[in-house]
Amino acid sequence: DAGVIQSPRHEVTEMGQEVTLRCKPISGHDYLFWYRQTMMRGLELLIYFNNNVPIDDSGMPEDRFSAKMPNASFSTLKIQPSEPRDSAVYFCASSLRDTLSYGYTFGSGTRLTVV
Amino acid sequence: GESVGLHLPTLSVQEGDNSIINCAYSNSASDYFIWYKQESGKGPQFIIDIRSNMDKRQGQRVTVLLNKTVKHLSLQIAATQPGDSAVYFCAEDDMRFGAGTRLTVKP
Repeated sequence: DAGVIQSPRHEVTEMGQEVTLRCKPISGHDYLFWYRQTMMRGLELLIYFNNNVPIDDSGMPEDRFSAKMPNASFSTLKIQPSEPRDSAVYFCASSLRDTLSYGYTFGSGTRLTVV
Repeated sequence: GESVGLHLPTLSVQEGDNSIINCAYSNSASDYFIWYKQESGKGPQFIIDIRSNMDKRQGQRVTVLLNKTVKHLSLQIAATQPGDSAVYFCAEDDMRFGAGTRLTVKP
């Protein structure tokens, strides 16, 4: 398995532009998570899905952020309009909640810079 | 200007020594705990997990101990190697992470 695949690896955009981050979870995993990591705030859970349905989006910073999971193999995190304070590394992770273990597998992240 | 950010606990050990990384958790109802390792420029990587009905679990060179009485987890790494240098996070079943501990292994 190729693991959790995120794209792009790096994104540089101007303030006010729309940014879309993409994630392909591991095939068969039924949970998908989006995290943001910064020096100031550490690793923050933004939102997670179970079977493509958003379960908890309480970590989404504000209405400028939205996430979708149209099918089991794809999710997007969109920021519109982007602001410099959105600069961070965004991670996607997926897991299979079986009865024994459900450690999540993380992607390599997307480093977003908003100038 | 002064750099402001999360204050990461740090642990520096000599290669070959054993390392112990500690984590306090807040929710006494948590049923599942996970340790992750994050190397520079990479995503967190699963190391080992433990359920609340256990107090110890061993993996390859790693052991996790769970003390539910004081809500404390520890990760023990035996014969620490330079490749173990990373930030280590614990997480509960609410999928939220603490600040992490930076482990530096001196050759």
